[in-house]
Amino acid sequence: DVKVTQSSRYLVKRTGEKVFLECVQDMDHENMFWYRQDPGLGLRLIYFSYDVKMKEKGDIPEGYSVSREKKERFSLILESASTNQTSMYLCASSLWGQGARGYSPLHFGNGTRLTVT
Amino acid sequence: AQSVTQPDIHITVSEGASLELRCNYSYGATPYLFWYVQSPGQGLQLLLKYFSGDTLVQGIKGFEAEFKRSQSSFNLRKPSVHWSDAAEYFCAVPKGSSNTGKLIFGQGTTLQVKP
Repeated sequence: DVKVTQSSRYLVKRTGEKVFLECVQDMDHENMFWYRQDPGLGLRLIYFSYDVKMKEKGDIPEGYSVSREKKERFSLILESASTNQTSMYLCASSLWGQGARGYSPLHFGNGTRLTVT
Repeated sequence: AQSVTQPDIHITVSEGASLELRCNYSYGATPYLFWYVQSPGQGLQLLLKYFSGDTLVQGIKGFEAEFKRSQSSFNLRKPSVHWSDAAEYFCAVPKGSSNTGKLIFGQGTTLQVKP
């Protein structure tokens, strides 16, 4: 069974702090994702990575950066946390799809609820 | 551009009653379609997916969904709801290349189950 582990369930940080959210998957998946979940907005993609050291901006990358130094680990970084970054953050992973095999399901962690005060 | 809409933000049903959650999509070609469920305090779990073929798709936990191209819909159904089905449900369509696995999610529908 695929396991995606997010290091913190709850985080409280102050405005201006540098925040690291960590995610580890144990199934050798190529793709890893960071989504942000807000009520009424569903999930919005922040960043995506399809390989070590490879990253691609999602729909809402402003104020965030990512790091993928090892295949199993994908970190989300808030360079200077702001109150509008208070949210639930979800990490996910999947296999790299191949043609007719189509999409590989996303496997999600349990989320990190970040509060910035 | 691809998009997905879930018209109902909240739905309340009685335990044992039938359930239908609506999903409308906008997609250029034959779509891949997904339903995910998020139980309280958990991440999202795949309920079912449609890639091609039979338009009625069976999923886990007794759920099914029907793809209707003419209506651009992929509604989720369950004949008899259990209290443990209370959760948030997301419909999703792919974004970009099929290799990346990127999805666009709907706004979500929160299901409340009355005893």
